[in-house]
Amino acid sequence: DVKVTQSSRYLVKRTGEKVFLECVQDMDHENMFWYRQDPGLGLRLIYFSYDVKMKEKGDIPEGYSVSREKKERFSLILESASTNQTSMYLCASSLPYAGTLAHNQPQHFGDGTRLSIL
Amino acid sequence: KQEVTQIPAALSVPEGENLVLNCSFTDSAIYNLQWFRQDPGKGLTSLLLIQSSQREQTSGRLNASLDKSSGRSTLYIAASQPGDSATYLCAVRRTGGFKTIFGAGTRLFVKA
Repeated sequence: DVKVTQSSRYLVKRTGEKVFLECVQDMDHENMFWYRQDPGLGLRLIYFSYDVKMKEKGDIPEGYSVSREKKERFSLILESASTNQTSMYLCASSLPYAGTLAHNQPQHFGDGTRLSIL
Repeated sequence: KQEVTQIPAALSVPEGENLVLNCSFTDSAIYNLQWFRQDPGKGLTSLLLIQSSQREQTSGRLNASLDKSSGRSTLYIAASQPGDSATYLCAVRRTGGFKTIFGAGTRLFVKA
């Protein structure tokens, strides 16, 4: 089974802090994703990475950056945390969206990090 | 712009009942549709993935159908159990990109 591990289940930080959320997957997946989930808004994509050091902005990248130095690890960085970034953050991974298997690659999710910014 | 809608937002049924959850999407140009389960405070667990060329997928008591032309998918749960209580989300991966669009989910409560 695919295992996607997020380093913290709960995190409390203060406004203005630089916050790192870590995600590790053990299935050698090329694709990794960061989402945030808010009541009434559903899941929204923050960033996507399709290979080491490669990234694409999602729908709501403002205030965030990402790092993918190794294939198995994808980090989400809140440069200067603000209260409106209080949310549930979900990491996911999948096989690549290219080639003959492109249409059939499910995303596998971690357990999430509930981040509170005070 | 792809939009995914799930109705109802919440559903409460007695144990043993067969039930159907609905998902609709506005753009039929999709690669696949995926159904997930989410328990409170947890991440998403993949249940079923239907490719755009397929009509349905089955796993145990779950059956998902896809009608791309009408922009609809249903998740059928047979003989519901209290352990099925969770939020169920559908998500479509549109063609020509990497984004997956999620519905807001249906919160299911199965009463013992």
